[in-house]
Amino acid sequence: GAVVSQHPSRVICKSGTSVKIECRSLDFQATTMFWYRQFPKQSLMLMATSNEGSKATYEQGVEKDKFLINHASLTLSTLTVTSAHPEDSSFYICSASRAGGVSETQYFGPGTRLLVL
Amino acid sequence: SQQGEEDPQALSIQEGENATMNCSYKTSINNLQWYRQNSGRGLVHLILIRSNEREKHSGRLRVTLDTSKKSSSLLITASRAADTASYFCATGIQGAQKLVFGQGTRLTINP
Repeated sequence: GAVVSQHPSRVICKSGTSVKIECRSLDFQATTMFWYRQFPKQSLMLMATSNEGSKATYEQGVEKDKFLINHASLTLSTLTVTSAHPEDSSFYICSASRAGGVSETQYFGPGTRLLVL
Repeated sequence: SQQGEEDPQALSIQEGENATMNCSYKTSINNLQWYRQNSGRGLVHLILIRSNEREKHSGRLRVTLDTSKKSSSLLITASRAADTASYFCATGIQGAQKLVFGQGTRLTINP
């Protein structure tokens, strides 16, 4: 159990367009989902934490109007990169936590590679 | 900023040898977790050790935690080519939902 999917796995878009990435927990209810960004050969950088039914908590330096997060149900969270630019090209990974408690194990999706031309 | 610092950044060993990776952190934690990432993929949870535990085993993995030194180590015994991946430690900060990831160790197992 504890499978998390992401869609799409890869996306190429033109500069100025918006891109939506979905993160789903397939076999469990995820009260908390996390969105990360990862540059090549670097660690994961937490962008935001989202709890179902409430607004996401963004990390310092992450623009909430640019990276829109919606956690509408216990199995789905979406990240929308608005007006994407080449510098937004990156690997975006989501994760989900079962319990929503304090620093529990996170189950990761396979990631979405975004390339903005 | 990332709390965890991992050492070494890269490690290359022969198949069958043991691999040891270290992780240091700065603040009080609830737990420390180790994850593995194959190139271009998501992370896979390996093991979680709580702040009141000192050592934990899972198959060929052995994790130690020294809260007085704020450090942890991951030992992979009898390494296999399939163990080639990046390994990250992640600390569960007291009072927070999120994990803070270290910079990772890139492990290469040579056949």
